Amino acid sequence: ILNVEQSPQSLHVQEGDSTNFTCSFPSSNFYALHWYRWETAKSPEALFVMTLNGDEKKKGRISATLNTKEGYSYLYIKGSQPEDSATYLCAFPANRDDKIIFGKGTRLHILP
Amino acid sequence: NAGVTQTPKFQVLKTGQSMTLQCAQDMNHEYMSWYRQDPGMGLRLIHYSVGAGITDQGEVPNGYNVSRSTTEDFPLRLLSAAPSQTSVYFCASSYEPGRANNEKLFFGSGTQLSVL
Repeated sequence: ILNVEQSPQSLHVQEGDSTNFTCSFPSSNFYALHWYRWETAKSPEALFVMTLNGDEKKKGRISATLNTKEGYSYLYIKGSQPEDSATYLCAFPANRDDKIIFGKGTRLHILP
Repeated sequence: NAGVTQTPKFQVLKTGQSMTLQCAQDMNHEYMSWYRQDPGMGLRLIHYSVGAGITDQGEVPNGYNVSRSTTEDFPLRLLSAAPSQTSVYFCASSYEPGRANNEKLFFGSGTQLSVL
């Protein structure tokens, strides 16, 4: 059974502070690693799709790194703002039969 | 652009009733999938399809049926609703499944289902 783990489950960060959280996935048969942002009462939206070991993606104040050999990815948010409050999900294609499995997410709360 | 369209947005069923959740996309995506969202469980894959005529089971397929007669549509059927199927359901689609799993998922707006 494929296991995609995200930590921490929940995080409270002061506005203006930077933060990061982790997605762990099986390192064998790697295809890609997805990050999604999910605001309350909305649908998940893709942030990044990462495919290469050592890959680093950036979108404004949000960036992500990927280590396929050890099976983890970090998502970083620099200078947190209230609009960053959301659940951040990572997703992993299980294998070539295309199942895309999600972790349980990290719920980020930005404190004013 | 419509993207991924789900209907209905809300539905209340009685135990034992059947219904179909509709999902349609206008992006010519080959890959379509259904997830359910439950508190503390994240998104769990119910069924998915890599093209018209092809479907397969996800993590939690029991109690649900799917079919894919066209590229655009991927309905999810509840044959005999149970309270355990109370959840929010999301349909998602993307390009190029399998060989190029580097394409992001596009999500519908969700269907909130309550089974009494």
